[in-house]
Amino acid sequence: GQSLEQPSEVTAVEGAIVQINCTYQTSGFYGLSWYQQHDGGAPTFLSYNALDGLEETGRFSSFLSRSDSYGYLLLQELQMKDSASYFCAVEGATNKLIFGTGTLLAVQP
Amino acid sequence: SQTIHQWPATLVQPVGSPLSLECTVEGTSNPNLYWYRQAAGRGLQLLFYSVGIGQISSEVPQNLSASRPQDRQFILSSKKLLLSDSGFYLCAWSVQGGTQYFGPGTRLTVL
Repeated sequence: GQSLEQPSEVTAVEGAIVQINCTYQTSGFYGLSWYQQHDGGAPTFLSYNALDGLEETGRFSSFLSRSDSYGYLLLQELQMKDSASYFCAVEGATNKLIFGTGTLLAVQP
Repeated sequence: SQTIHQWPATLVQPVGSPLSLECTVEGTSNPNLYWYRQAAGRGLQLLFYSVGIGQISSEVPQNLSASRPQDRQFILSSKKLLLSDSGFYLCAWSVQGGTQYFGPGTRLTVL
């Protein structure tokens, strides 16, 4: 079967750094994506890792270890507007994504 | 630049009524198109995807269907809605599968 695991909730304070982990088990693997979804809104694309290593985009970074079936999203210099749900998603077959159940990040002042 | 449209934004329908949700994409050609459903507080469930006109793959057996009559148009339909069809319906497009861009969604309530 195919499954993804990520924490259901994470709380952090403004200015801090938070890491959201994602482990996956899939029959095929092309890459790992991360999406942000604010309450009531649509998901927005954050990052995509096809190869091992760290990808940095501004305050957000994403890491992938294919051998460990593991990745994480790192958010630095947290702001209140970062409060949202974050989903990891595996491209397990061509052009298809399997989404995790999401991590609700609460940023406190 | 590319944009994706969905309508309507919200919809309240009685059980047993038909459904038609439309999604259109601008600014790209031959995109992959997807329909997802999200229940409250849950993840995204892939319902259908399409790699070209008239090509539809169904992921979950249910009373929904999808069609792609034009390159950048994707339609989700039902002949008779069930209570369990309530949810947030999202259309997405991609050129590469790992990078998908979502429309604003339709929030459907079946009463």
